[in-house]
Amino acid sequence: SAVISQKPSRDICQRGTSLTIQCQVDSQVTMMFWYRQQPGQSLTLIATANQGSEATYESGFVIDKFPISRPNLTFSTLTVSNMSPEDSSIYLCSGSGQATNYGYTFGSGTRLTVV
Amino acid sequence: KNQVEQSPQSLIILEGKNCTLQCNYTVSPFSNLRWYKQDTGRGPVSLTIMTFSENTKSNGRYTATLDADTKQSSLHITASQLSDSASYICVVSRDDYKLSFGAGTTVTVRA
Repeated sequence: SAVISQKPSRDICQRGTSLTIQCQVDSQVTMMFWYRQQPGQSLTLIATANQGSEATYESGFVIDKFPISRPNLTFSTLTVSNMSPEDSSIYLCSGSGQATNYGYTFGSGTRLTVV
Repeated sequence: KNQVEQSPQSLIILEGKNCTLQCNYTVSPFSNLRWYKQDTGRGPVSLTIMTFSENTKSNGRYTATLDADTKQSSLHITASQLSDSASYICVVSRDDYKLSFGAGTTVTVRA
């Protein structure tokens, strides 16, 4: 099954700054997703990263705050913009397609702390 | 209200013992149900996947059951090991790609 490398694994950032998280898949995947996981909570879908076009955002998430890129079928980035302490969370990417046997493979996550 | 409810929220078991985790869901239309294991600081890793017609699936010492009529699933861990300490997440998917995640059950295995 496909392997997803996500970086950075963790970061501590100052409020008001931005952080870009990268996910690299070792095979092409049809779909890629970005999630947020707050402590003790379920994973919440932020958006679906669409190759070559704007991401599809879930209710409560907007492009200005979480711009996403997906230039090809193996790579995507999520930027957390103008961060505040409320953005402290774990961010995960996921991919699905033939390379994942049509299951969902996750990256190892990025633990973000905003101070 | 979350469409996937897991219980218990956490549990502690002794090494070598068995335990069972529960998942109740209201997601509809139902496509499949997956159990994931998430180690601390890692992404979730798939353990089992079951479709509507399957009512049991095993992966080593992990056995999942599904009752699609009552919309309940369980994950049984046999002869627990220290490495089983993790969060176990029940994930239900609809006919589209949308996934509904439970909050997870945190399992701690003690020697």
